[in-house]
Amino acid sequence: DGGITQSPKYLFRKEGQNVTLSCEQNLNHDAMYWYRQDPGQGLRLIYYSQIVNDFQKGDIAEGYSVSREKKESFPLTVTSAQKNPTAFYLCASSQEGARTEAFFGQGTRLTVV
Amino acid sequence: GNSVTQMEGPVTLSEEAFLTINCTYTATGYPSLFWYVQYPGEGLQLLLKATKADDKGSNKGFEATYRKETTSFHLEKGSVQVSDSAVYFCALTNTGTASKLTFGTGTRLQVTL
Repeated sequence: DGGITQSPKYLFRKEGQNVTLSCEQNLNHDAMYWYRQDPGQGLRLIYYSQIVNDFQKGDIAEGYSVSREKKESFPLTVTSAQKNPTAFYLCASSQEGARTEAFFGQGTRLTVV
Repeated sequence: GNSVTQMEGPVTLSEEAFLTINCTYTATGYPSLFWYVQYPGEGLQLLLKATKADDKGSNKGFEATYRKETTSFHLEKGSVQVSDSAVYFCALTNTGTASKLTFGTGTRLQVTL
């Protein structure tokens, strides 16, 4: 089946560690996105990529990094510089263009312990 | 810039009641409008969309009409079910920002027997 796969579903991080969240899509979409979800704040855009080997910062990119070496993959690294990383992280993909909808993965819940 | 404002929740209804969740937006140009639904612990799923003024999106008994004159995209359903309990997000994309979504903060709906 076509779709977006995020892994792991749950992730625990110690203070000072970097962790990487995986996102893979087989929808042949050009654009991919990472959103952060906190209670009562909706979804906020972290990074997005419209084409392989290119990506742009979203609204809350500080403390995060990404790569886009393959069309299907858009991993997100939460670095130790991110002061409050506990959140639900959602990856999405879409065709380019303002009238196209995005498809979302099941999310990764990251908790700092 | 672009923004979306939703009514705050939670909204609690009895089964078979009428549902309205208000959504208004601010955007220049010609945005496309979306409603997404999120069930507990999951990612977002597209519920319906409208890409130009006066368009009506509909799916699974839910409807929303793109009203440019009032900059609104209110979600309605004539008779809710317990299975409709979820968080509903209004969102937009806009020319100039391509396929990036701007989300409202979400409205939690709880339907009881």
